Amino acid sequence: QVTLKESGPAMVKPTQTLTLTCSFSGFSLTTPGVRVSWVRQPPGKALEWLARIDWDGDEFYTTSLKTRLTISKDVSKNQVVLTMTNMEAVDTATYYCARMELGSTAGGGFDYWGQGILVTVSS
Amino acid sequence: DIQMTQSPSTLSASVGDRVTITCRASQGVSKYLAWYQQKPGKVPKLLIYKASYLQSGVPPRFSGSGSDTDFTLTISSLQPDDAATYYCQQYNSYSETFGQGTKLEIK
Repeated sequence: QVTLKESGPAMVKPTQTLTLTCSFSGFSLTTPGVRVSWVRQPPGKALEWLARIDWDGDEFYTTSLKTRLTISKDVSKNQVVLTMTNMEAVDTATYYCARMELGSTAGGGFDYWGQGILVTVSS
Repeated sequence: DIQMTQSPSTLSASVGDRVTITCRASQGVSKYLAWYQQKPGKVPKLLIYKASYLQSGVPPRFSGSGSDTDFTLTISSLQPDDAATYYCQQYNSYSETFGQGTKLEIK
């Protein structure tokens, strides 16, 4: 049974750094083709893909936020961590982590999602 | 980054109608295109992956087609439970992107 769960602060102040952790079970991030991404959704707005880390450690970021984001993984803990620096009010959103598997027997798409965590940026 | 443009942004249709939502990519994404359904307050749900493959457990009234830059999601006979916002997502490039969403309302 695959599960993912986000954890982190519900509120941060402007200019602070946000650190979110995605704890998962039921799969391994060392399996070829497996990826974990972070996606966010401001209240009432669309989904926005932020970053992903692949089974082989490759990291990818959305261009508009690349300078502020860092994604990493701890395979021993089955965790993926996202940090976002210099938080602003516009970064207020629900942040999700999600799994994708893409390979010879898997066609991709985020088939499992965490429940999401609402992060509010306010002084 | 590849831009994904969905149309229409909102759509109102009646139960039993055939509904089509389109998604256009600013560059070719081969068949690496997924469709999601999201209801208010809920986590997005994968409907279609690799442009035309139905995710397990998704009703067969949902179907996807297309390749390269032009894709469609079709609901063959709209049901009340289909009221939701639908998103396309490309995962061909190193930087993945979602469309802006299509809100589907039931008349």
